[in-house]
Amino acid sequence: AQTVTQSQPEMSVQEAETVTLSCTYDTSESDYYLFWYKQPPSRQMILVIRQEAYKQQNATENRFSVNFQKAAKSFSLKISDSQLGDAAMYFCAYKGGGADGLTFGKGTHLIIQP
Amino acid sequence: NAGVTQTPKFQVLKTGQSMTLQCAQDMNHEYMSWYRQDPGMGLRLIHYSVGAGITDQGEVPNGYNVSRSTTEDFPLRLLSAAPSQTSVYFCASSYSRGLYGYTFGSGTRLTVV
Repeated sequence: AQTVTQSQPEMSVQEAETVTLSCTYDTSESDYYLFWYKQPPSRQMILVIRQEAYKQQNATENRFSVNFQKAAKSFSLKISDSQLGDAAMYFCAYKGGGADGLTFGKGTHLIIQP
Repeated sequence: NAGVTQTPKFQVLKTGQSMTLQCAQDMNHEYMSWYRQDPGMGLRLIHYSVGAGITDQGEVPNGYNVSRSTTEDFPLRLLSAAPSQTSVYFCASSYSRGLYGYTFGSGTRLTVV
């Protein structure tokens, strides 16, 4: 079974600074997909960014980018120019090639200091 | 578009009672799934479906039942609620086996006393 580990229960960053959230995963599959989801206090799960394992190029969505290291099974999220609205729980998730759902990490609580 | 709609948003049950959490999506997604979210545990997969009439168990299926009679609806049934089922429940749907990510509902906070 696949596992996803987020080793930082909580992170704090000053507004306008850059922060990196860590995620590692364990799998024996060669074809898979990785995601970062944001969960603000509203409880809604919001897809932030997606990475296909067979693509070496790191995904980027505006201020959000990933550092995908396939050999190391690492998938970190970098948030540039942090904004107050970025404060939330962030979950790393894995999707294998099968029909089942996502495997989530336990989450990182991101605090933005004004 | 409504996306994924979950009802109710909040519910309090007594131990031993039964109830159904409703989930409906209007995006014609084939894949639907249920997750529970507990403090410090992330989200864990309960049951999933790859189309009408087809369901399967996820990581934590005990105490829950599902069916998928239509593409749009995927209800989750608690047959005899237990305090251990106190949690926030999310329904999600996707196309193309979820390879492009899942769309989540807004969740149901369930408390079993």
